[in-house]
Amino acid sequence: GNSVTQMEGPVTLSEEAFLTINCTYTATGYPSLFWYVQYPGEGLQLLLKATKADDKGSNKGFEATYRKETTSFHLEKGSVQVSDSAVYFCALRYSGGGADGLTFGKGTHLIIQP
Amino acid sequence: EPEVTQTPSHQVTQMGQEVILRCVPISNHLYFYWYRQILGQKVEFLVSFYNNEISEKSEIFDDQFSVERPDGSNFTLKIRSTKLEDSAMYFCASSYDRDNGYTFGSGTRLTVV
Repeated sequence: GNSVTQMEGPVTLSEEAFLTINCTYTATGYPSLFWYVQYPGEGLQLLLKATKADDKGSNKGFEATYRKETTSFHLEKGSVQVSDSAVYFCALRYSGGGADGLTFGKGTHLIIQP
Repeated sequence: EPEVTQTPSHQVTQMGQEVILRCVPISNHLYFYWYRQILGQKVEFLVSFYNNEISEKSEIFDDQFSVERPDGSNFTLKIRSTKLEDSAMYFCASSYDRDNGYTFGSGTRLTVV
């Protein structure tokens, strides 16, 4: 079946540090890949997405590239801010066979210290 | 920016009782979803709903669960006889089509005692 594996958290960084949150997936076929962010007390918000191999999703300074050869979709940001503190979820959706539910990773809690 | 609204934000219920979790999706969206997250665990897909019927459901979505779109705006999740293990955060989501990401609500925290 489909699955998503994320690095365990919490990840604690200083402001302006470089961020990488690893995400790898297992899926049949060619899924679409997503990163969602959950700020304290709020719902899940779509951060970025990529729908095919070598696509790069980007938003708010965050980037992730769909790597089919390594089945990965790592999230990166060059210089994090305190306001980036949140839980980040990697997710996939299989594009074939009528399935449209998202499969999520466990989430990575990111803490940015001033 | 349009939002998905969920009510209540927190509900406590006794084991065996029925609960209804309510959601108001974004008005022009066509696909509706329920997910849940047990504390410390993954967000799990429960069910998707399109054109007034269930289009997909997971193994979690057994006979105790049902969904309904009773009018043009609400989308509800009913749990017929709650169990302790139903305690979780329940998220509603909606989307205009299936190619893009969804918009999620803030969730309802259900506590079964």
